[in-house]
Amino acid sequence: GENVEQHPSTLSVQEGDSAVIKCTYSDSASNYFPWYKQELGKRPQLIIDIRSNVGEKKDQRIAVTLNKTAKHFSLHITETQPEDSAVYFCAASRGSGNTPLVFGKGTRLSVIA
Amino acid sequence: SAVISQKPSRDICQRGTSLTIQCQVDSQVTMMFWYRQQPGQSLTLIATANQGSEATYESGFVIDKFPISRPNLTFSTLTVSNMSPEDSSIYLCSVDRASADTQYFGPGTRLTVL
Repeated sequence: GENVEQHPSTLSVQEGDSAVIKCTYSDSASNYFPWYKQELGKRPQLIIDIRSNVGEKKDQRIAVTLNKTAKHFSLHITETQPEDSAVYFCAASRGSGNTPLVFGKGTRLSVIA
Repeated sequence: SAVISQKPSRDICQRGTSLTIQCQVDSQVTMMFWYRQQPGQSLTLIATANQGSEATYESGFVIDKFPISRPNLTFSTLTVSNMSPEDSSIYLCSVDRASADTQYFGPGTRLTVL
């Protein structure tokens, strides 16, 4: 089955700096890669996703890149703000609709003001 | 997105008892997923619930311990049976509302077993 590795487990950045979180996956059939943000005591919230027919996707300060050959994808947050502090999870699925997600172990991001 | 509610939001239970968690969605969905999130950990899929058929369980999870019902296209329940302190976790349901792979999560049920 699918295995998703996520690094780093913790990340501290100064406000205004960029943050990068990386994930690798094992199943070459996976073609849908979402990123979730989970604040303390709250549910995971989808922040951005990418499909395997796209190499990069951007939404304001957040971008995701995908390298299908190397089976890795990354989350980039620019101009970080204290409210970006949270746990971020990457995930992967085969994306055929109604397919369960396999999650990475998460990255705790702290943005220091 | 989808409006998803769960009941109860939290509970404290004694070991050996059972708790049933409800998940309600504001529109019909084909599949509902149940995940467990242990303290400080990631999300692990327990099972996939399809209306009209038995749930499909992931490795390490069995129907006797986590029976699931899916009586209609907007509702599902997960029961945590014969609980032990190791079952203390957050239990979340999720749905892929448009069968478009994007999953939305319910608010979760925080379970503490003493």
